[in-house]
Amino acid sequence: RKEVEQDPGPFNVPEGATVAFNCTYSNSASQSFFWYRQDCRKEPKLLMSVYSSGNEDGRFTAQLNRASQYISLLIRDSKLSDSATYLCVVNRASGGSYIPTFGRGTSLIVHP
Amino acid sequence: GAVVSQHPSWVICKSGTSVKIECRSLDFQATTMFWYRQFPKQSLMLMATSNEGSKATYEQGVEKDKFLINHASLTLSTLTVTSAHPEDSSFYICSARGGRPTNEKLFFGSGTQLSVL
Repeated sequence: RKEVEQDPGPFNVPEGATVAFNCTYSNSASQSFFWYRQDCRKEPKLLMSVYSSGNEDGRFTAQLNRASQYISLLIRDSKLSDSATYLCVVNRASGGSYIPTFGRGTSLIVHP
Repeated sequence: GAVVSQHPSWVICKSGTSVKIECRSLDFQATTMFWYRQFPKQSLMLMATSNEGSKATYEQGVEKDKFLINHASLTLSTLTVTSAHPEDSSFYICSARGGRPTNEKLFFGSGTQLSVL
């Protein structure tokens, strides 16, 4: 089983739609969680951290379920500019530090 | 915000040559740097973790003699692909983290597209 698993998609949605991405992780000792966005051949950019209580940033909502080792990202009112690959990132403990581990990403295509 | 500069952005080289990629943290001290490789439509695969002043820790399956990593200062890490071959063609990207081990934020370089002919 991979450390961080995501549905690769692509998710093809119309503008204005609500779309949700899921991510599961295998290491129960993982400490912190993030969603990054990556455009083609560009570096990943931090979208938001994910907290146990759930957190929201504008049209984006992230949730964490530690018991199920599951993270989600919800995008409301999708924009064309939201088209990108969304990467789930989990910090796994390693030798006193934390190593960020990336999922393979979920591709989102928002069409007019 | 923190900036990580990665050079070159792209490189084309002949098979058998060595290529050096630099990653610099411009406005913070990067105690840890990570080097990733990404093939088309694939995830970022961690190659190695380097801490300033110590040897890099390589992930399983990554040849340390082929991918030489140096992290001699708190602001610079280099990845050298030695004797590059076409199968080494990929997108290489570095990221840096400063502060305590639990400092979570990663700052990425803009990546290097390597094409080996």
